[in-house]
Amino acid sequence: DAGVIQSPRHEVTEMGQEVTLRCKPISGHDYLFWYRQTMMRGLELLIYFNNNVPIDDSGMPEDRFSAKMPNASFSTLKIQPSEPRDSAVYFCASSLSSGSNEQFFGPGTRLTVL
Amino acid sequence: AQTVTQSQPEMSVQEAETVTLSCTYDTSESDYYLFWYKQPPSRQMILVIRQEAYKQQNATENRFSVNFQKAAKSFSLKISDSQLGDAAMYFCAYRRSNTGNQFYFGTGTSLTVIP
Repeated sequence: DAGVIQSPRHEVTEMGQEVTLRCKPISGHDYLFWYRQTMMRGLELLIYFNNNVPIDDSGMPEDRFSAKMPNASFSTLKIQPSEPRDSAVYFCASSLSSGSNEQFFGPGTRLTVL
Repeated sequence: AQTVTQSQPEMSVQEAETVTLSCTYDTSESDYYLFWYKQPPSRQMILVIRQEAYKQQNATENRFSVNFQKAAKSFSLKISDSQLGDAAMYFCAYRRSNTGNQFYFGTGTSLTVIP
């Protein structure tokens, strides 16, 4: 398996623009997580899905952030409108509900909002 | 709420020496999982080692081992024979065993390996 795939790897945009981050989880995994990592706040859980259904979105910072999982192999995290304080590395991770439950992380998307 | 504390923002170790990274957690659960993840400069998060709370035996993976003290809620990572490639950010994480797969991460420890 190719592991968790995220795109793009880097994104530079201007304040006010819409940003869409994409994630393909490992095939067969039924949990998907979105994290944000910054120097100031460390690794924060934004939202997670189980079987494509959002379970906990309490980490989503505000209404400008939204996430969807239309099917088991694809998820998006959208920021509209983007602000400079959204600059961070965004990780997607997936896991199985059984077994070791290890979370497998994607390579991350480094977002810079100018 | 579960919290994970890593009290050492930065650590350094001489190559070939041993270093121990600390982690404590707060929980009222009796059954749970603990993990150490490594994040090198490439920023890829890589699982180093895991421990099931119901197991008394400390987990070991080659040069990496843990000291799991359930009563003290402590989960330290020992790296033996440190190598330059061990230089990275290390995160401790907690997961409950019976609800969801949500992880709670510590703030990380940055490890420098001195040649």
